[in-house]
Amino acid sequence: DVKVTQSSRYLVKRTGEKVFLECVQDMDHENMFWYRQDPGLGLRLIYFSYDVKMKEKGDIPEGYSVSREKKERFSLILESASTNQTSMYLCASSFGSGIGEETQYFGPGTRLLVL
Amino acid sequence: ELKVEQNPLFLSMQEGKNYTIYCNYSTTSDRLYWYRQDPGKSLESLFVLLSNGAVKQEGRLMASLDTKARLSTLHITAAVHDLSATYFCAVDWGGGATNKLIFGTGTLLAVQP
Repeated sequence: DVKVTQSSRYLVKRTGEKVFLECVQDMDHENMFWYRQDPGLGLRLIYFSYDVKMKEKGDIPEGYSVSREKKERFSLILESASTNQTSMYLCASSFGSGIGEETQYFGPGTRLLVL
Repeated sequence: ELKVEQNPLFLSMQEGKNYTIYCNYSTTSDRLYWYRQDPGKSLESLFVLLSNGAVKQEGRLMASLDTKARLSTLHITAAVHDLSATYFCAVDWGGGATNKLIFGTGTLLAVQP
């Protein structure tokens, strides 16, 4: 089974702090994704990566950056946390073949509260 | 603008009843997905639909795809309490191997005894 793990289930941070969210997948997937989930808005893509050191902005990249130094690990960084970044953050990965029933596998999520 | 719209947003059903969740999308796509999310949990893949007319069934859930109408449906047959969850549809718009998805806002399903 594919396993996607996230470093924390719950985090409480203060405004202005630098925040690191870590995601690790164990299936040698090429693609990795960071989403935020807010009530009534569904999931919105922040950034994704299709290879080591490669990244592309998603729909809402402002205030975030990412790092992918190793294939299995994708980090989301909030350079200076703000209260409007309080949300549930979900990491996902997918194989990256581009064919067939390719699907994204999700981690358990990190619920971040910024005070 | 790329959009994926689900309706209804909230659905309260009695056990044993049938109902359908609708997913409309605004762009052509190679794949359409249905995911389930239980409260406080992450998303679990239910179905991947690849072509016009595709139909997939798992237990009391059946998903179908009409690419010409840009419409997918998730039909629930004889609902049971265990089906209570939020259901999301998502469309692969990136093309190729990037597997970028746009998600609908989700349908919260509550099955009452």
